[in-house]
Amino acid sequence: AQRVTQPEKLLSVFKGAPVELKCNYSYSGSPELFWYVQYSRQRLQLLLRHISRESIKGFTADLNKGETSFHLKKPFAQEEDSAMYYCALGGGSEKLVFGKGTKLTVNP
Amino acid sequence: ETGVTQSPTHLIKTRGQQVTLRCSSQSGHNTVSWYQQALGQGPQFIFQYYREEENGRGNFPPRFSGLQFPNYSSELNVNALELDDSALYLCASSTGTRNEQFFGPGTRLTVL
Repeated sequence: AQRVTQPEKLLSVFKGAPVELKCNYSYSGSPELFWYVQYSRQRLQLLLRHISRESIKGFTADLNKGETSFHLKKPFAQEEDSAMYYCALGGGSEKLVFGKGTKLTVNP
Repeated sequence: ETGVTQSPTHLIKTRGQQVTLRCSSQSGHNTVSWYQQALGQGPQFIFQYYREEENGRGNFPPRFSGLQFPNYSSELNVNALELDDSALYLCASSTGTRNEQFFGPGTRLTVL
């Protein structure tokens, strides 16, 4: 069965500090991993996907198949990064399986 | 380019009633996926429609049904509403069954 675990419900950091949002997945096939973000009063939107290997808004995420992880990282957090972050798993089917989300708060 | 829209924004129903939620896909998109997001949870896949046909279904009972129209807009119907159906219902459209999904703002359903 496909499963996504985001162990931290809440994460609070200070502006300028590094941030890492954890995501672990369970899937026997070839995974497609995504990070979605939801800013306050906005809709859910794609932040990045592992196959593109891009850095979006300073965020990067590397797929580690050995550890079945896809952690989201940013070296210097900004206040505007405060949002709800969801890790999602696709692959082998049309559906996305989401984690429960991590609420990131960046304090001034 | 118009994004994904959903109606209504909020809805209150009582147990046993039926509800229809609507979604207009983004221009150029032929695939619509529906998700249920309970409070404090991530979105959970209900089903997907591709070119008017159901293309995959999550672990939801048959009282959750859907339609996709020739213009690729979609409806989610829920019969015999239960209290646990209270949630935010999200619609997402895409240009293919496994391409990037663009989400609408959601419909908040409350079942009393």
